[in-house]
Amino acid sequence: GNSVTQMEGPVTLSEEAFLTINCTYTATGYPSLFWYVQYPGEGLQLLLKATKADDKGSNKGFEATYRKETTSFHLEKGSVQVSDSAVYFCAWNSGNTPLVFGKGTRLSVIA
Amino acid sequence: DAGITQSPRHKVTETGTPVTLRCHQTENHRYMYWYRQDPGHGLRLIHYSYGVKDTDKGEVSDGYSVSRSKTEDFLLTLESATSSQTSVYFCAISPGGEQAFFGQGTRLTVV
Repeated sequence: GNSVTQMEGPVTLSEEAFLTINCTYTATGYPSLFWYVQYPGEGLQLLLKATKADDKGSNKGFEATYRKETTSFHLEKGSVQVSDSAVYFCAWNSGNTPLVFGKGTRLSVIA
Repeated sequence: DAGITQSPRHKVTETGTPVTLRCHQTENHRYMYWYRQDPGHGLRLIHYSYGVKDTDKGEVSDGYSVSRSKTEDFLLTLESATSSQTSVYFCAISPGGEQAFFGQGTRLTVV
């Protein structure tokens, strides 16, 4: 069925380390792909998105590329900061369908 | 913020009692959603609405009902609360298609 699989957390990194959070999806057609971020005690907010194959979404130093051939949308950042500590969710939808989310990956960045 | 207000923000209720959570938006967006967030499960869709009086079930709709009599309000009702419904509930809105905007969440505890 339709789903999103993202790497299990928690992920703990030192400040300035390189971050990768893997995400693969199962969906029919040509979905749009998203990364959402949830800071402690808050709701989710959109981090970046890509709407077609080979598109790269980017925001706040984070990037993810829509890879249709591998059905993946991995999140990367070259140098993480303590303020990036949060839970990251990969998601997709198609047309007007509701978002389908992965289980989330908790990132902790230590100084 | 995207003009979404959830109320109440916190609630403790007893098993077997009815509970209604409210989501109010000021954006006039057509689509509204209720998700629940639980450790190890990410966000799961409960119900959603494509417009006034137009609602549909999500993957975890058992024990929940919704109503949307006005564009701006989407109510989630637990007819008879159970401990398994202890969760954080998020409302989201969307103008259609892609990006969704999330409320701050309601933490519900059923004792």
